[in-house]
Amino acid sequence: AQSVSQHNHHVILSEAASLELGCNYSYGGTVNLFWYVQYPGQHLQLLLKYFSGDPLVKGIKGFEAEFIKSKFSFNLRKPSVQWSDTAEYFCAVNKINAGNMLTFGGGTRLMVKP
Amino acid sequence: ETGVTQSPTHLIKTRGQQVTLRCSSQSGHNTVSWYQQALGQGPQFIFQYYREEENGRGNFPPRFSGLQFPNYSSELNVNALELDDSALYLCASSWGTGGIQETQYFGPGTRLLVL
Repeated sequence: AQSVSQHNHHVILSEAASLELGCNYSYGGTVNLFWYVQYPGQHLQLLLKYFSGDPLVKGIKGFEAEFIKSKFSFNLRKPSVQWSDTAEYFCAVNKINAGNMLTFGGGTRLMVKP
Repeated sequence: ETGVTQSPTHLIKTRGQQVTLRCSSQSGHNTVSWYQQALGQGPQFIFQYYREEENGRGNFPPRFSGLQFPNYSSELNVNALELDDSALYLCASSWGTGGIQETQYFGPGTRLLVL
């Protein structure tokens, strides 16, 4: 069965620190990849997505992610975090031509200290 | 453009009861997917509806059922509620052709507590 692993469950950073959140998936076929963010008290929002093309994708609020097919990874990065980035981050994968079932990782809860 | 809306926002039920949750899709979207998010976990896919028919199902028992209406809104029904059904239920809408779907956009969820 397809699975998605997010290795860091909780991350605490100070403002201006760099961020990298890991995401690995187990499916060997063609996939679409997503990062969603859930700010406190708000609903899941799309941060960025990869469907095809340039494996380095840029999203909102200065986030980016790199798809490395050989490593089955889609890590999320931000060079300098802000207090407002405090949220829970979810990586999600869906298989091409297999409907639109998203398989989510367990989430990473990020706390940014001012 | 109207986003995905869900009702009610919160619900308390007792074991054995039945519940219906509702979702209105974002304008221009024809597909609705439902997810269950238990506390401290990522969302898990329940099922998807496209053109008023189930278009994929996750590992959930038959007491989880759904409907999609001609205006693309949807309902999730859960019969014989169990304590483990306590969770946040998320609805997501997208545009697609059944086999290929675009990005899913999520609603705020309905938090269900089963006592």
